[in-house]
This record gives sequence, structure tokens and C-alpha cells, in this order.
Amino acid sequence: AQKITQTQPGMFVQEKEAVTLDCTYDTSDPSYGLFWYKQPSSGEMIFLIYQGSYDQQNATEGRYSLNFQKARKSANLVISASQLGDSAMYFCAMRGEFNDYKLSFGAGTTVTVRA
Amino acid sequence: DAGITQSPRYKITETGRQVTLMCHQTWSHSYMFWYRQDLGHGLRLIYYSAAADITDKGEVPDGYVVSRSKTENFPLTLESATRSQTSVYFCASGIPGLVNEQFFGPGTRLTVL
Repeated sequence: AQKITQTQPGMFVQEKEAVTLDCTYDTSDPSYGLFWYKQPSSGEMIFLIYQGSYDQQNATEGRYSLNFQKARKSANLVISASQLGDSAMYFCAMRGEFNDYKLSFGAGTTVTVRA
Repeated sequence: DAGITQSPRYKITETGRQVTLMCHQTWSHSYMFWYRQDLGHGLRLIYYSAAADITDKGEVPDGYVVSRSKTENFPLTLESATRSQTSVYFCASGIPGLVNEQFFGPGTRLTVL
């Protein structure tokens, strides 16, 4: 079974600053994938970034980067140069190798960007 | 239009009633999923389907029934709705192996009175 833990229920960040969202995971699968999704107030789920457990480099997508520390079982999301439009709920999720493509989600972190 | 749609987007029903939430995707994705979103829990998997006529339980399947007679449709039925099933329901579809493996529908907000 997979478990995802997001310990920060809510965060405030100043516009143009960077913010790190914590995510730790637990799995016994030798291979797995880690995902981050954004959910703005409109409610849709938006895929942001993916990290495979065997990827040698940390994933990056524009202003999003994933700080993957396999030994510590953490997959923190870093948003650089925050914008007002980054205000949203962010979910960390994972899929195990033997998990039939099912995702397990964390409880989420609400980010509020201040002008 | 291409994509994944859910209907209705909003639904209010009463305890004990049967409710069916519809999900339709135009990509011919093999996998489809139903999640519920509740405060403090993130998204939890209810049921999923690997292909037409193949379905399996997720983390919280009790009180729900699914079917998948066609690849593009994956309806979720609450046979006798309870207040604890008040939630936002998301349908997703995907193809194994893609980086973005699951594409989510817009969600259905269900209130059970």
C-alpha cells in the first residue's frame, strides 16, 4: 500500500518569492511514480509535474521543480517566482509499480500568494 | 469536443435515493477512475476500470456501483445515497506509460440531504 503525507495544510507566500511544498511517501514497491497536481478555486485538477523513482535528475517544468530525495522518501514541490495565479490547493500523489496505475493522494496544501 | 466530461456538475438528492454520475471520455483511454474529494483526505479512489467490462474496487468502494460496457463511459451509481456520500466526485481517464497518466474531469458536486 502507498501512503502520501503532506504536513502543511496551508501556506502564505509573497509574490515573486519561491515556495516549497512538502511531500513524503511510503511504499514497498521498487519502482514508482510521483505526481503533483494543482487545484485552483474553480475545482479542476491540473497536472504539474512527474518524477519517476529511477530518474537520475529532478524533474522540472517551467517554474515548477520537484526536489526528489529517494533515501528520505520525499518529493517536495518548489514553485519559483510565485504569481497570484499560483494560489490554489496542491496535491502530491504516487503510483506504485504493482498498483495497476491507481494514484494515492495526500491531503493537500493550500497556497495563498500575497501581492 | 474532445476530452473528459462529467454530468451532472451539481446534484442535490435525498437520503436513500439512487443517483448515477456520468463520465464520458473521447480519447479511447483504456483506464478510467472514480475519486471522491473530501476536506482533509485529498482524493480517494472509489473504483477503477482497466478496460471495458473490467472493473475493480479502490480504497472506498462501499455504497457505490460501477459498470463499463463501453470504453468511453464509466458511470458511478450510489444505490442508496447517504449523507456521508456528500462530496465532490472526480472521474479520470488515462493510458499507462504516459507521464501524465490521468486526465481529470471537471468534477460533480453531490449533496445528499
